[in-house]
Amino acid sequence: DIQMTQSPSSLSASVGDRVTITCRASQSISSYLNWYQQKPGKAPKLLIYAASSLQSGVPSRFSGSGSGTDFTLTISSLQPEDFATYCCQQSYSTPYTFGQGTNLEIK
Amino acid sequence: QVQLQESGPGLVKPSETLSLTCTVSGGSVTSSSYYWSWIRQPPGKGLEYIGYIYYSGSTSYSPSLKSRVTVSVDTSKNQFSLKLTSVTAADTAVYYCARVREEVGPSNRYYYYMDVWGKGTTVTVSS
Repeated sequence: DIQMTQSPSSLSASVGDRVTITCRASQSISSYLNWYQQKPGKAPKLLIYAASSLQSGVPSRFSGSGSGTDFTLTISSLQPEDFATYCCQQSYSTPYTFGQGTNLEIK
Repeated sequence: QVQLQESGPGLVKPSETLSLTCTVSGGSVTSSSYYWSWIRQPPGKGLEYIGYIYYSGSTSYSPSLKSRVTVSVDTSKNQFSLKLTSVTAADTAVYYCARVREEVGPSNRYYYYMDVWGKGTTVTVSS
């Protein structure tokens, strides 16, 4: 299985901050990387697919980049509704493994 | 707008079989370019891929669960289902069904991403 490792595991930030979350794959996965947002008690929501493609309806302050083994999710200006857990997932090969998640908290 | 809804028992006894169904509304399980998947999340932990099915019956399962998992589809009811046998407390989790979209990428490979999710259902394994 391909292992996905996110950093940091948790992050404190303020409204208006620029935030970057990193995801690293245990082997090259080209651009087969998705990002999800999950709020407490809710299902995950797709934000980014194919490493950098913004899902329809997702605000443009979210962006993704990277290829190979190293990827980033950037939120350009944090809004109150962005405080949540963010999770990466590889779709290069089954099983489609997820990262452990990054909990983004209000500072 | 496609919606997914999980249903099934919230409590299962150890060694028994967990059975869940996902009902698809606003779309069809026979739509091309879509697969239908199950994911779970143990309390306080991350997401775990269980497997997926295409309407033709083609399946993919996580190797760690493959010996105990069956995913099936009922096109007449527009549903797909999960069966997990010989459950233990470690199978206690929120179980999600999700639609997997297939999109052509470079070099004739395909991108896969979970674009629609059910709300999730909590399953507790306990006697």
